[in-house]
Amino acid sequence: EVQLVESGGGLVQPGGSLRLSCAASGFTFSSYSMNWVRQAPGKGLEWISYISSSSSTIFYVDSVKGRFTISRDDAKNSLYLQMNSLRAEDTAVYYCARESVASDSWGQGTLVTVSS
Amino acid sequence: DIVMTQTPLSSPVTLGQPASISCRSSQSLVHSDGNTYLSWLQQRPGQPPRLLIYQISNRFSGVPDRFSGSGAGTDFTLKISRVEAEDVGVYYCMQATQFPLTFGGGTKVEIK
Repeated sequence: EVQLVESGGGLVQPGGSLRLSCAASGFTFSSYSMNWVRQAPGKGLEWISYISSSSSTIFYVDSVKGRFTISRDDAKNSLYLQMNSLRAEDTAVYYCARESVASDSWGQGTLVTVSS
Repeated sequence: DIVMTQTPLSSPVTLGQPASISCRSSQSLVHSDGNTYLSWLQQRPGQPPRLLIYQISNRFSGVPDRFSGSGAGTDFTLKISRVEAEDVGVYYCMQATQFPLTFGGGTKVEIK
């Protein structure tokens, strides 16, 4: 069974940093591209970053470019999102999603709250 | 960026009756490889999103056949042939033809 489990969320002050993790199991993690998607409280879904299976291709939404960094460790079956210079508008539940024919498997999400 | 517009915002439906959701993209979603990367996701209350349909009309594994997708180019539709109580939630279309990936604003399906 495919499982994705996010962790690392929490309360952080504006300007602070957090590192999110996504632990994958039940499939060959190294063979799949991955996405991070977030959802602000009561709002819709927003894609924020993509990493290919080889880490050779990476994309970000403009609003996080230069502040967020996506990475993966295939030996640890893990996906990461390093978030720096956090703003109030980054407050959201962050999901990791496996990309195959589409974003076919999602984790339960981890809540990031940016507030003083 | 490709803008995805969903209608309606809300769809109150009687149990057992059909429901239909429309999604329009600001430009064609036909990729240079010939595929159209339009998918539909369901988000039940308090749950993460779940893939229902990929590449316009392909039902994902385990998705009931009352869900169907259709369309081409810039206009797409998700249909639920007979709404059941477990179908309550928000439905999103999503395009993966071009980065940044973008979602529609969501359509809330609720029972009358």
